[in-house]
Amino acid sequence: GQQVMQIPQYQHVQEGEDFTTYCNSSTTLSNIQWYKQRPGGHPVFLIQLVKSGEVKKQKRLTFQFGEAKKNSSLHITATQTTDVGTYFCAGHSGGGADGLTFGKGTHLIIQP
Amino acid sequence: NAGVTQTPKFQVLKTGQSMTLQCAQDMNHNSMYWYRQDPGMGLRLIYYSASEGTTDKGEVPNGYNVSRLNKREFSLRLESAAPSQTSVYFCASSPWGVGRQTYGYTFGSGTRLTVV
Repeated sequence: GQQVMQIPQYQHVQEGEDFTTYCNSSTTLSNIQWYKQRPGGHPVFLIQLVKSGEVKKQKRLTFQFGEAKKNSSLHITATQTTDVGTYFCAGHSGGGADGLTFGKGTHLIIQP
Repeated sequence: NAGVTQTPKFQVLKTGQSMTLQCAQDMNHNSMYWYRQDPGMGLRLIYYSASEGTTDKGEVPNGYNVSRLNKREFSLRLESAAPSQTSVYFCASSPWGVGRQTYGYTFGSGTRLTVV
């Protein structure tokens, strides 16, 4: 079945440093989504990428979808303590009826 | 708007007991999902319901059953709980089916289940 791999598992940064998490799928994806989960909370939808090579920005967050639609990345510029949490990528390989396959997530830990 | 509501928030069961986790959404979404989250494992799909009246198995369905009671409600049942089912359970919904586009999921706040 479809597998979505995410690295790194943990990332410690100093506040103000940049952060990047990478996502790779074993199959071509029809779309990829990113979620953020705060400690003790539930996943919250951030964004969806659909087109090959697509790049989207949300303030300090930049999301990219690879040309082959098998990989994606999330980059945060100048991290803040509010960015703490786990970032998950998740993808559909088909039409979307059968539920998202999630990566295992990257835990972002920020040291003030 | 409440979004996705899950009950209960916490539960402790003894091995062999049964229980039903309730989920309801008030966003008129077509599709609903049950995931479990274990440390280091991410979110794994248990069952999903692409539309009212249909349910399908996900990645880890063994030991669970589901019921799509109506468009709003999607319940998850553990018939005979086992310690391996200790986890955090999340229900989610999406408007998938509208124009066959995909959309982000809205998650409930989760049920933290411990089986002893």
